[in-house]
Amino acid sequence: GQNIDQPTEMTATEGAIVQINCTYQTSGFNGLFWYQQHAGEAPTFLSYNVLDGLEEKGRFSSFLSRSKGYSYLLLKELQMKDSASYLCAVRDSNYQLIWGAGTKLIIKP
Amino acid sequence: GAVVSQHPSWVICKSGTSVKIECRSLDFQATTMFWYRQFPKQSLMLMATSNEGSKATYEQGVEKDKFLINHASLTLSTLTVTSAHPEDSSFYICSARGERERETEAFFGQGTRLTVV
Repeated sequence: GQNIDQPTEMTATEGAIVQINCTYQTSGFNGLFWYQQHAGEAPTFLSYNVLDGLEEKGRFSSFLSRSKGYSYLLLKELQMKDSASYLCAVRDSNYQLIWGAGTKLIIKP
Repeated sequence: GAVVSQHPSWVICKSGTSVKIECRSLDFQATTMFWYRQFPKQSLMLMATSNEGSKATYEQGVEKDKFLINHASLTLSTLTVTSAHPEDSSFYICSARGERERETEAFFGQGTRLTVV
């Protein structure tokens, strides 16, 4: 079966750095996505990785290792507005997105 | 980025009535649209995938006669929840993808909060 694993909840301090991990087992791989979702809102796109390595975009970076079936989202200089759920999703061989359950990130002052 | 508009953003309806949710791609042709449902504190659950001009493909456990999907044009898909019941209360989200977007993310509508009373 297809499976995406990520921690259920994480807590971090404002101004600090946090890393959210995601491991996956899917039938085929056509890219990995990270989305941010605030409560009651639709997901918004953060990053896309299809090749191994680190993609940096401002305060957010995403890393991928296809051989390990592993990705992480790194958030730097955390702000209170970063409190949200972070969803990892993998596009499989049928170009269908397989979703993780999401990681709820709580930022404390 | 591309824009997907979903309407209404929230709706309250009586049990037994039907509700229609619209999903429009505003600046690209959406050859494929996806309908998701999300219950509180849970992740997105794909309900169905629709390609323009053809019948939707429903995920296992989703009643196609209850959740009617129409994708008659490259810019509009609709989801109709027929004979809604309180257990259908959820957050419904559409996303759209065009041929040129196969290598990038699907674009999401704003979501529709459905409450059946």
